[in-house]
Amino acid sequence: DTAVSQTPKYLVTQMGNDKSIKCEQNLGHDTMYWYKQDSKKFLKIMFSYNNKELIINETVPNRFSPKSPDKAHLNLHINSLELGDSAVYFCASSQGAGGQPQHFGDGTRLSIL
Amino acid sequence: QQQVKQSPQSLIVQKGGIPIINCAYENTAFDYFPWYQQFPGKGPALLIAIRPDVSEKKEGRFTISFNKSAKQFSLHIMDSQPGDSATYFCAAKGQAGTALIFGKGTTLSVSS
Repeated sequence: DTAVSQTPKYLVTQMGNDKSIKCEQNLGHDTMYWYKQDSKKFLKIMFSYNNKELIINETVPNRFSPKSPDKAHLNLHINSLELGDSAVYFCASSQGAGGQPQHFGDGTRLSIL
Repeated sequence: QQQVKQSPQSLIVQKGGIPIINCAYENTAFDYFPWYQQFPGKGPALLIAIRPDVSEKKEGRFTISFNKSAKQFSLHIMDSQPGDSATYFCAAKGQAGTALIFGKGTTLSVSS
């Protein structure tokens, strides 16, 4: 039973398109995150939601818009995709927004042609 | 001040060796220091974590050493195995609502 699941696993699309990535967790956690991992494997937080409220919003272009319909789901919509958006995007969840273990999904590899 | 500096970038050891990965931080507000292990095609998985009130924590073959005054912490892998070959990330976090800051990762290869 997958704890944090993301769909799709792979996304190949053209520059300028709009795409969405979905994330669901079945751990009963109240906090969810989006991370971006670049080609050098550097992991950086993008957004975090606690009980459906946005609590972390790093310096991310406003073409990226997260949405949390409920505590178990966090989606990421990206408008006007650019070449630099190519990366692996990870969703994660934790119980609480402090120093608690974060559980990661297996990522969505986004490739922009 | 938000950075976590990790070294080395890559490490090759023989089976049974003890690889050591080091991390340093500046922000004294950090109070949670986890280590994550990532295999190709998978998400990072929590390995072990420590808080600054203890100087060492051991779980199985993995040990974190923490030096609060030097603002450094390290991961030791005892009796390393080829299955330990992965990328390891240190990280640090402060109070609720702040981001988990990752080091740049160390790629470990354990040869048989």
